[in-house]
Amino acid sequence: QVQLQESGPGLVKPSQTLSLTCTVSGGSIRRGSYYWTWIRQPAGKQLEWIGRISTSGATNYNPSLMSRVTMSLDTSKNDFSLKLNSVIAADTAVYYCARDTWDRFSNWLDPWGQGILVTVSS
Amino acid sequence: EIVMTQSPATLSVSPGERATLSCRASQSVSSNLAWYQQKPGQAPRVIIYGTSTRATGIPARFSGSGSGTEFTLTISSLQSEDFAIYYCQQYHDWPPQFTFGQGTKLEIK
Repeated sequence: QVQLQESGPGLVKPSQTLSLTCTVSGGSIRRGSYYWTWIRQPAGKQLEWIGRISTSGATNYNPSLMSRVTMSLDTSKNDFSLKLNSVIAADTAVYYCARDTWDRFSNWLDPWGQGILVTVSS
Repeated sequence: EIVMTQSPATLSVSPGERATLSCRASQSVSSNLAWYQQKPGQAPRVIIYGTSTRATGIPARFSGSGSGTEFTLTISSLQSEDFAIYYCQQYHDWPPQFTFGQGTKLEIK
């Protein structure tokens, strides 16, 4: 059973770069035609899709964040990463990684990591 | 961007009763609609995908229906563990993007 776990700093200063890694266990990140995804959720607010990366390295980003986001994949470590630069207080949120699972008719996110709280503050 | 609107924001229902949650898309998403359940301090988990397919391990009391722009999640007989926040999610092919509704909080009446 595939499991995901986020890791990274819980505190980032304004204008700096937020860097997170999602480690995949229980299966190879290269197996299957999946996309690997980041989502965030500010406290008490709705979920926001940040973007995704395929096993071949193709990326899709939320247009609202595209100018600040970079995702990468490391198959040797079985993990994928998120970088969000020039952060501001509004980037404070719980960040989740998840697998973009799909069939012929639909896409959904399963499984999810447990989430990591990242606070942007000086 | 496709906007997802859920109603009501909060739904108060007694255990054993039926709950009906709604989700509306600003344009057609065909059947590409999923529902997630989120409990405090936990990550969301998928309960329905493809509008009406229950995810692995989800009890039969959960059902989804709809198409195009109007979707419904029904929980036929509420159990204590069902009280949570529920989000709908759509996926759009081009440009590829997921968007979520703002959530419906299902609380005990």
